[in-house]
Amino acid sequence: EVQLVQSGAEVKKPGESLKISCKGSGYSFTSYWIGWVRQMPGKGLEWMGIIYPGDSDTRYSPSFQGQVTISADKSISTAYLQWSSLKASDTAMYYCARSELEYSSSFDYWGQGTLVTVSS
Amino acid sequence: SYELTQPPSVSVSPGQTARITCSGDALPKQYAYWYQQKPGQAPVLVIYKDSERPSGIPERFSGSSSGTTVTLTISGVQAEDEADYYCQSADSSGTYGVVFGGGTKLTVL
Repeated sequence: EVQLVQSGAEVKKPGESLKISCKGSGYSFTSYWIGWVRQMPGKGLEWMGIIYPGDSDTRYSPSFQGQVTISADKSISTAYLQWSSLKASDTAMYYCARSELEYSSSFDYWGQGTLVTVSS
Repeated sequence: SYELTQPPSVSVSPGQTARITCSGDALPKQYAYWYQQKPGQAPVLVIYKDSERPSGIPERFSGSSSGTTVTLTISGVQAEDEADYYCQSADSSGTYGVVFGGGTKLTVL
């Protein structure tokens, strides 16, 4: 059974750093892309970027380039999304999802989401 | 930037047919995908490659494409279909990567 299991909810202060994770199982982790999607409270889905764990090829949305870093450790089938300095506007639910291609493909499996709250 | 445009809301009575549209300039060249998201849950893929239905998705969900518009059709709507629906595609140049529509709230009256 394909599963993407994300790390738990986080409460952070502005300016702090954060790294959240997404662990894949039930499939060949290095053969699919893992994308990250933001959903701000009461808002729609926003694509942030995507990584191919097989060779760590990474693409970013122009809206998120330079704001976050996407990485992966294929030895433990885990992808990451990290911030070096959080802002209150980073408060959102973040989902990871699996895709066959970097852009022109669906996200067929999704993680359960990680809620990030940034507040002083 | 590249945008996919959806109506903010659609309302139908149980048993009727709901149609949700998604418009974008690159849709004649790029496939569209549709997701259902219920409150407090992760999105679920309901249509891929414009009109294909994943296993486990009820037959009442279907998709179609015409020019710059794709349509998600839900026939014989049930109360459990009340949710937000998002289309997804990509721009042809790859500049903007993956793009989601703004989402449509389907209300079952």
